[in-house]
Amino acid sequence: AQTVTQSQPEMSVQEAETVTLSCTYDTSESDYYLFWYKQPPSRQMILVIRQEAYKQQNATENRFSVNFQKAAKSFSLKISDSQLGDAAMYFCAYRSAGSQGNLIFGKGTKLSVKP
Amino acid sequence: DSGVTQTPKHLITATGQRVTLRCSPRSGDLSVYWYQQSLDQGLQFLIQYYNGEERAKGNILERFSAQQFPDLHSELNLSSLELGDSALYFCASSVGLAGGLSSYNEQFFGPGTRLTVL
Repeated sequence: AQTVTQSQPEMSVQEAETVTLSCTYDTSESDYYLFWYKQPPSRQMILVIRQEAYKQQNATENRFSVNFQKAAKSFSLKISDSQLGDAAMYFCAYRSAGSQGNLIFGKGTKLSVKP
Repeated sequence: DSGVTQTPKHLITATGQRVTLRCSPRSGDLSVYWYQQSLDQGLQFLIQYYNGEERAKGNILERFSAQQFPDLHSELNLSSLELGDSALYFCASSVGLAGGLSSYNEQFFGPGTRLTVL
């Protein structure tokens, strides 16, 4: 069974600075997808960024980028120029490329942004 | 707004009771997923339906059941409720079944139903 581990329960960053959230996963599959979701205090789950395992190029969405290391099974999220609105829980998630499309989530990292 | 609606937003009930949570997927989406978010278990997948049929099961208790109706809305039924069932229950929907990373299969989450069992 696949597992996702986020080793940082809490992180803090100064406004305008850069922060990296860590995620590792375990799988025997070669084809899969990885995601970062943001959950602000409103509790809404918001997709931040996604990565296909077969793509070597790291995904980027504006201030958000990932460092995908397939051999190491690592998938970190970098937030540049942090803003107060980035404060939230961040979840790393895995999805098989096979017939089961459900997401497997890590425990989450709570990010605080200091003004 | 993801386009996925869930009712009610909040639900408070007593142990031993039964409740029904409702989810309406985005227009055109055929797949519905149910997830539970609790303090001790984190976010975990419960069950998936596609076009009215059950497609995948996760860590769903036997006391819980779900169905998807012809109009594609879904209901999650929780019975013989225990204190530990208190959680945030999310519904997500996608157009397709699974596999692939096109927008066809991206999951859009509803706002969740907060269940409190006293």
